[in-house]
Amino acid sequence: AQTVTQSQPEMSVQEAETVTLSCTYDTSESDYYLFWYKQPPSRQMILVIRQEAYKQQNATENRFSVNFQKAAKSFSLKISDSQLGDAAMYFCAYRTQNYGGSQGNLIFGKGTKLSVKP
Amino acid sequence: ETGVTQTPRHLVMGMTNKKSLKCEQHLGHNAMYWYKQSAKKPLELMFVYSLEERVENNSVPSRFSPECPNSSHLFLHLHTLQPEDSALYLCASSQGFSGFQPQHFGDGTRLSIL
Repeated sequence: AQTVTQSQPEMSVQEAETVTLSCTYDTSESDYYLFWYKQPPSRQMILVIRQEAYKQQNATENRFSVNFQKAAKSFSLKISDSQLGDAAMYFCAYRTQNYGGSQGNLIFGKGTKLSVKP
Repeated sequence: ETGVTQTPRHLVMGMTNKKSLKCEQHLGHNAMYWYKQSAKKPLELMFVYSLEERVENNSVPSRFSPECPNSSHLFLHLHTLQPEDSALYLCASSQGFSGFQPQHFGDGTRLSIL
């Protein structure tokens, strides 16, 4: 079974600085999808960025980028020019490409709480 | 305005009560999900519905009973809950099961069992 590990329960960053949140996963599959979701105090989970495992190029969405190391099974999130609105819980998630009984299943890590200091 | 609406936002109930959580999606999606989010634990998938048919049930106790009357609505009926069932219950939807399609989440219902 696949697992997702976020080893940093809490992180802090100064406004306008850069922070990297780590995520590792365990899988025997070669094709899959990886996601970072953000959950602010409003509680709604919001998709931040996603990566297809077969693509070597790291995904980028404005100030958010990932460092995807497939061999190391690592999928870290880098937030550049941090803003106060970035403060939230960040969840890394894995999704299988296989269609079957577990289709659609997102496997989440425990999350990292990011604080942004003004 | 979120594309996935959950009501109520907060719910406090006794162990012998019966209540229901409601989820409505306005995105035209055909798959809907219930997740449980407890403190210090990863989100746990509870149920998956595709085209109004349940396709997965992750060994959830029978005191949780889902219902999907149409592709836009999803309910979670609750009865005889236990204190350990106190958690945030999140609903999500997606367009099909193509792995790259993101799931869109609602704001959740914070459930407290007395």
